[in-house]
Amino acid sequence: GQQVMQIPQYQHVQEGEDFTTYCNSSTTLSNIQWYKQRPGGHPVFLIQLVKSGEVKKQKRLTFQFGEAKKNSSLHITATQTTDVGTYFCAGPPSGTYKYIFGTGTRLKVLA
Amino acid sequence: DTAVSQTPKYLVTQMGNDKSIKCEQNLGHDTMYWYKQDSKKFLKIMFSYNNKELIINETVPNRFSPKSPDKAHLNLHINSLELGDSAVYFCASSQEWSQGRAYEQYFGPGTRLTVT
Repeated sequence: GQQVMQIPQYQHVQEGEDFTTYCNSSTTLSNIQWYKQRPGGHPVFLIQLVKSGEVKKQKRLTFQFGEAKKNSSLHITATQTTDVGTYFCAGPPSGTYKYIFGTGTRLKVLA
Repeated sequence: DTAVSQTPKYLVTQMGNDKSIKCEQNLGHDTMYWYKQDSKKFLKIMFSYNNKELIINETVPNRFSPKSPDKAHLNLHINSLELGDSAVYFCASSQEWSQGRAYEQYFGPGTRLTVT
């Protein structure tokens, strides 16, 4: 079936270090969304990328959508303790409306 | 005002019981979803409704039955609960896809279901 894998599954970083999570889909996606879920919370939308090769920035966060629209990445520069949480990518396979969520990357930031 | 609300927040029940989870959104969205998040944090879509019409129905046991009385509400009824149904269930809503453009999903706070 259609799968969206994220690596790493877990990441512990010292505050101030950079962090990257990678999202890989088994099928082409029409767009990719990124969500953040704080511990005990619910997923909160961060950004959507639509075009092949698109790059978007939000302050310390940089998002990229691969040329083949099958992979994406989220990079956080100089992590802070407020970045703690699980980051999910999600996208619908081309031609569908069904969002498949990635397996998630759980980030812990040590002060 | 809470954009997407769910009740109850916690639900503890015994195997074999029937239970319902309610969801309401006040965002004026046309599309609503139910997701299941298991103990490993995997999020999986179960159902999606657009303008009260079921558009996504994943391979979910037919013990699970969604009902959308109107665009602002999407409830989930579960019959004959099993241990494996224990999870966090999230309701979400979004604007309807338009001309190939998708919109962000707004999630409710979740309902933690524990089946004993």
